[in-house]
Amino acid sequence: EVQLVESGGGLVQPGRSLRLSCAASGFTFDDYAMHWVRQAPGKGLEWVSGISWNSGSIGYADSVKGRFTISRDNAKNSLYLQMNSLRAEDTALYYCAKDIGCSGGSCYPNFDYWGQGTLVTVSS
Amino acid sequence: DIQMTQSPSSLSASVGDRVTITCRASQGISNYLAWFQQKPGKAPKSLIYAASSLQSGVPSKFSGSGSGTDFTLTISSLQPEDFATYYCQQYNSYPPTFGGGTKVEIK
Repeated sequence: EVQLVESGGGLVQPGRSLRLSCAASGFTFDDYAMHWVRQAPGKGLEWVSGISWNSGSIGYADSVKGRFTISRDNAKNSLYLQMNSLRAEDTALYYCAKDIGCSGGSCYPNFDYWGQGTLVTVSS
Repeated sequence: DIQMTQSPSSLSASVGDRVTITCRASQGISNYLAWFQQKPGKAPKSLIYAASSLQSGVPSKFSGSGSGTDFTLTISSLQPEDFATYYCQQYNSYPPTFGGGTKVEIK
């Protein structure tokens, strides 16, 4: 059974940093790209960042580019999101999501499993 | 970025009703379209990918169709466990983007 367990959220002041983690199990972690998707309170879903299986390809939403850094440790089956210079508008539930995988050599950001999320609140 | 527009934003329906939700992309995305279901306080659950392919374990009362810019999600006979918010998402190009959601409520 695929399991994704996020941690590291909390209350942080604007301008400070936070590091989120996602522990994965139930699948061969280093076979798949992984993503972070967030949801502000009462709002819709927003893709934040994604990383390929070997960290060779990384992408960010414009809203976080230059402030957030995604990484992974395949030996530890773990995904991370380093969030710096946090703003009030970064307040959200952050989900870790597994990519469905590449097909015919083509890879697209398509999510099949999600964790339960970790809440980040940016406020003074 | 590709904009995804869902309609309606909410709907009221009765158990047993057939429900259709539409999703329109601001430009053609072939069939790179997914649908998710989210219940209150829960993570999104993948229902459909490639516009019409059912994820493993998803009941056949859910179906998807469309290609290009216009897509639909249909629930053939609404059951109490289907009351939730539904999101479409394009994955034709980065950044992947979601529709605003359709909340399906009990009439």
